[in-house]
Amino acid sequence: DAKTTQPNSMESNEEEPVHLPCNHSTISGTDYIHWYRQLPSQGPEYVIHGLTSNVNNRMASLAIAEDRKSSTLILHRATLRDAAVYYCILRDVGGDDKIIFGKGTRLHILP
Amino acid sequence: GAVVSQHPSRVICKSGTSVKIECRSLDFQATTMFWYRQFPKQSLMLMATSNEGSKATYEQGVEKDKFLINHASLTLSTLTVTSAHPEDSSFYICSASDRVTEAFFGQGTRLTVV
Repeated sequence: DAKTTQPNSMESNEEEPVHLPCNHSTISGTDYIHWYRQLPSQGPEYVIHGLTSNVNNRMASLAIAEDRKSSTLILHRATLRDAAVYYCILRDVGGDDKIIFGKGTRLHILP
Repeated sequence: GAVVSQHPSRVICKSGTSVKIECRSLDFQATTMFWYRQFPKQSLMLMATSNEGSKATYEQGVEKDKFLINHASLTLSTLTVTSAHPEDSSFYICSASDRVTEAFFGQGTRLTVV
């Protein structure tokens, strides 16, 4: 499986932007970059996904490096409700399509 | 967005009994569903891939006779933990998706075996 590398944890102040990095140096041409987050005692929640171009939605933005070997999830204005574990996942739509979770980044928001 | 409903959200059972967990996709047809388990402070571990109308595909190290998966329709997959023991206590999560867009996850089932 193509793998991703994320920092174990990050901290940010409330109402400030947060940049969550992800390295995926072995990404293949058919891998989509997906981000999910998990709040305590809940199932994961979809955040955003992309292939090559940067993406924006109401929750976040996804910046993808030109060589696709890294990406950054951007929360434009963090709130306390954004405290969660964020998972960066490669999903091969040309292969078995499994969603394999790594350890993710635990984001702490400071009031 | 699409919704995946999981039931029950919480269950306590006696050691040696079996427990069934349901996963329903409420507004789309899911030919494939995934089952995960998650221990405290750990990430989700994929247990098996559930395919509608065929046998599930289990990940290495997951006992197929202990974790029975049935995907009888395009909107329902069930996971049965047979002869449950305290070490099976965990948070079980299902997911459904198509190949391109996002995956949708159930709210999880916390199983406690006493």
